[in-house]
Amino acid sequence: GENVEQHPSTLSVQEGDSAVIKCTYSDSASNYFPWYKQELGKRPQLIIDIRSNVGEKKDQRIAVTLNKTAKHFSLHITETQPEDSAVYFCAAMSSSNYKLTFGKGTLLTVNP
Amino acid sequence: NAGVTQTPKFRVLKTGQSMTLLCAQDMNHEYMYWYRQDPGMGLRLIHYSVGEGTTAKGEVPDGYNVSRLKKQNFLLGLESAAPSQTSVYFCASSYSEEQYFGPGTRLTVT
Repeated sequence: GENVEQHPSTLSVQEGDSAVIKCTYSDSASNYFPWYKQELGKRPQLIIDIRSNVGEKKDQRIAVTLNKTAKHFSLHITETQPEDSAVYFCAAMSSSNYKLTFGKGTLLTVNP
Repeated sequence: NAGVTQTPKFRVLKTGQSMTLLCAQDMNHEYMYWYRQDPGMGLRLIHYSVGEGTTAKGEVPDGYNVSRLKKQNFLLGLESAAPSQTSVYFCASSYSEEQYFGPGTRLTVT
């Protein structure tokens, strides 16, 4: 089955700096890669996703890049703000079965 | 439009007791999922369903059973709870790739 590795497990940045979280996956059939943000005590919320037919996607301060050859994808947050502090999860899915496999999460802390 | 709801929000069980968690969605989604979330482990898939009347095992199915008698509901059952099942349980539903999560159920087994 699919295996998703996520690094780092914790990340601390100063407000205004950039943050990068990286994930690798094992199943070459995976073709959908979402990123979820989870605040303490809340449900995971989708913040951005990318499909295998594109290499990069951007939404305001958030961007995701995908390298299918190397089987890795990354989340980039620019101009970080304290409200970006949360746990971020990457995931991978094959559209043949619609099952998501999650990474173990990254606790991002943005210091004012 | 409530999205995905879960009942109950919190529950404390004694070892050996049974309970059922209810997930309901009003988006007419075909796919529904049950995950458990433990510290440092991310979300792990317990069981899922690709449509009314169907269920399938996920990554960590042991000790759980599920049923999908109606399209809008997905039930997760614990027949004999164990302390290892202490966790936060999330339900999700989807039409295709994007999954929508419920608010979660915090279960403690003593």
